[in-house]
Amino acid sequence: EVQLLESGGGLEQPGGSLRLACAASGFTFHSYAMNWVRQAPGKGLEWVSSISGSGITTYYADSVKGRFTISRDNSKNTLYLQMNSLRADDTAVYFCAKDANFWSGAYFDYWGQGTLVTVSS
Amino acid sequence: QSVLTQPPSVSAAPGQTVTISCSGGDSSIDNNYVSWYQHLPGTAPKLLIYENDQRPSGIPDRFSGSKSGTSATLAITGLQTGDEADYYCGTWDSSLISGVFGGGTKLTVL
Repeated sequence: EVQLLESGGGLEQPGGSLRLACAASGFTFHSYAMNWVRQAPGKGLEWVSSISGSGITTYYADSVKGRFTISRDNSKNTLYLQMNSLRADDTAVYFCAKDANFWSGAYFDYWGQGTLVTVSS
Repeated sequence: QSVLTQPPSVSAAPGQTVTISCSGGDSSIDNNYVSWYQHLPGTAPKLLIYENDQRPSGIPDRFSGSKSGTSATLAITGLQTGDEADYYCGTWDSSLISGVFGGGTKLTVL
């Protein structure tokens, strides 16, 4: 059974940093791209970032480019999102989502429950 | 503003059929597969349709997808109260080089 468990969310001040993690199990982690998707309060889903199965290729939404870094540790079956220079509009539930292929851009066949990030002073 | 356009809400009675549209452009829907997701607040989104019209195992055939040009459609037949949720279309945008979602459609089963 595929399981994705996010952690690392919390309350952070504007300009601060947080690192999210997503622990994966139930599938061959290094064989699939992984993604972060977020949902701000009262808003829809927004794709944030994606990383290929090898970790070599990464993609970012314009709204987070230069501030967020996606990475993965295939030896630990864990996906990360380093979030720097946080802004109030980064407040959202952040979901980890498994891609259906090794390369990004297919579809998201499994999702985690999400972790809440609140950016406020 | 989302790259993909969906109606904010749709509604229908139990047992009826509802369709949800998703409109994009040449660099998104026209040249990439479309997927659909069901999301209940506080839960993990769930894949309903992938590659335009394919259903994952366990998804009832009441849910179907189609695509034509720069638009896609999700149809739900035999509506049930348990179908009340938010529905999102998604695809890859080859010009933005990013994933994109529609703004979401809230389905109400009257």
